[in-house]
Amino acid sequence: KNQVEQSPQSLIILEGKNCTLQCNYTVSPFSNLRWYKQDTGRGPVSLTIMTFSENTKSNGRYTATLDADTKQSSLHITASQLSDSASYICVVSAGTGRRALTFGSGTRLQVQP
Amino acid sequence: DGGITQSPKYLFRKEGQNVTLSCEQNLNHDAMYWYRQDPGQGLRLIYYSQIVNDFQKGDIAEGYSVSREKKESFPLTVTSAQKNPTAFYLCASIGGRTDTQYFGPGTRLTVL
Repeated sequence: KNQVEQSPQSLIILEGKNCTLQCNYTVSPFSNLRWYKQDTGRGPVSLTIMTFSENTKSNGRYTATLDADTKQSSLHITASQLSDSASYICVVSAGTGRRALTFGSGTRLQVQP
Repeated sequence: DGGITQSPKYLFRKEGQNVTLSCEQNLNHDAMYWYRQDPGQGLRLIYYSQIVNDFQKGDIAEGYSVSREKKESFPLTVTSAQKNPTAFYLCASIGGRTDTQYFGPGTRLTVL
């Protein structure tokens, strides 16, 4: 069964600090991995997408890494801001077929002043 | 102003009533999806449609129904057969070079 596990479940950090969120997956065959940011009560918004051959991708203060051998990904947030407070969801696509998405349950990040 | 819209933002329903959640997109995407999100859980697929007049059940389709009469619209009906309908419902469509899913703002359904 395809699964995506995210850790930690929740995280509180002070404004200006860095943090790293983890995503482990057992999805086969692997097509790509996406990180989404979801503000409370809103729809998720895509941050990055990574394919098998990519191991690092940045989007501003967000940097995602992918290790396809160990089936792990991380999302690193640099110099956190209050607006970073949200849930971050890891989504893995399994091969072909547009229904083949497995969602993690998310990490809820709270940035405090 | 392109995107996906969902309405209403909040919806209250009495037990035994059917309700319909609206989802509209002007992104010219073929594929559209409905997900349910519960606290502490990942999104779960209810129904999806790859093309007009065609749709397939997702993982938790029982108690839900959909239609796809137009490319732009994919309404979801929550029927009285759905035993635990209180949740946050997200509509999405897929398109673009990277096959990214674009999500609507969501509808929070509460059964009273």
